[in-house]
Amino acid sequence: QVQLVESGGGVVQPGRSLTLSCAASGFTFSSYGLHWVRQAPGKGLEWVANIWYDGANKYYGDSVKGRFTISRDNSRNTLYLQMNSLTAEDTAVYYCARWIEYGSGKDAFDVWGQGTMVIVSS
Amino acid sequence: DIQLTQSPSSLSASVGDRVTITCRASQYINNLLNWYQQKPGKAPKVLIYGASNLQSGVPSRFSGSGSGTDFTLTISGLQLEDFATYFCQQSYSTWTFGQGTKVEIK
Repeated sequence: QVQLVESGGGVVQPGRSLTLSCAASGFTFSSYGLHWVRQAPGKGLEWVANIWYDGANKYYGDSVKGRFTISRDNSRNTLYLQMNSLTAEDTAVYYCARWIEYGSGKDAFDVWGQGTMVIVSS
Repeated sequence: DIQLTQSPSSLSASVGDRVTITCRASQYINNLLNWYQQKPGKAPKVLIYGASNLQSGVPSRFSGSGSGTDFTLTISGLQLEDFATYFCQQSYSTWTFGQGTKVEIK
């Protein structure tokens, strides 16, 4: 079945780095764009980053621009999020999500992973 | 950046009720507005895309409407499994989410 599985979360000290992974299965990974979305404890959803199907274009939310890098390896069916200079405000569950385009500009996030928790604390 | 404001932030309703949640965008977004449902400890699930299109597999009691800056999600005949938090999302200019509306049991 179509599935996304995140990994790499954990406890990290402020100022340090962490890399998250998202392994995909059940669909043609190289045909889909992907996103990272995060959710701080008890809070709403925040879009973090997007990468196109071929990795040619990448976009970032303002709060992570310049600190986080999204990338993908289509040969390994895996999405990554490199997070640098982490602060307490980055503490959240991080989800990867598949980007589906319906045409006429309509798009949505139709498949989500279960999420991986990142805690930034000394 | 485009801001989305949902109202109400929470509501209490009974099984069988008709529930309406609104989402207002800070600027014109045409019909590029989606709705998601999230249950505690779970990932969000897309319900409606393009303001009014029902995602495959989603029950027909869910419907969406609106265009421009004002949008509505309606649940006609609330079921027990519908008690959850609902988020709107715009895809007109990158992506942003509303703050969420929690639907609780009265």
